[in-house]
Amino acid sequence: DIQMTQSPSTLSASVGDRVTITCRASQSISSWLAWYQQKPGKAPKLLIYKASSLESGVPSRFSGSGSGTEFTLTISSLQPDDFATYYCQQYRTFGGGTKVEIK
Amino acid sequence: QVQLQESGPGLVKPSQTLSLTCTVSGGSISSGGYYWSWIRQHPGKGLEWIGYIYYSGSTYYNPSLKSRVTISVDTSKNQFSLKLSSVTAADTAVYYCARHSLYGGNPVNFDYWGQGTLVTVSS
Repeated sequence: DIQMTQSPSTLSASVGDRVTITCRASQSISSWLAWYQQKPGKAPKLLIYKASSLESGVPSRFSGSGSGTEFTLTISSLQPDDFATYYCQQYRTFGGGTKVEIK
Repeated sequence: QVQLQESGPGLVKPSQTLSLTCTVSGGSISSGGYYWSWIRQHPGKGLEWIGYIYYSGSTYYNPSLKSRVTISVDTSKNQFSLKLSSVTAADTAVYYCARHSLYGGNPVNFDYWGQGTLVTVSS
């Protein structure tokens, strides 16, 4: 199975900061990567699919990039609603998650 | 708008079988083009895919759970179900059902999720 490794596991940031989360695949997955946001007690929400395609209704401050084995999720200007845990996913495997906390 | 809703007991005794159902509304399971998945999340932990089913009944399970998992579909009720046998405390988790989009016949991302249901395994 392909392994998905996210970094960092925790990130402290302030409102307005530019935030970048990285996801690495153990072998090439082309652009078949998705990103999700999860808030406590809620189901994950799809943000990005096919590495860089923004899901309908998701704010444009979220963007994804990468291909092959290395991918990034960027939040251009962190908003109060963005403090959450983020997961990458390929096929049936999820990354370990990155918790974005208030600095 | 597609919606998914999990239902089933919130408490299961050790060694028994966990049974959950996901009811889909706003779209038909029989329309094809999607796999229908179960995913779980242990308390405070990450996401673990359990398995999926196609409307035709074909299934694929996480190898680590395969010996204990059965996923079935009832297209007449627009539902799919999960059975996990011989449960232990390690199976305590929030269980989600989700729609797994296909691209070129390959499952890619999960675009719709149920709200999740906590299942506790305890005597």
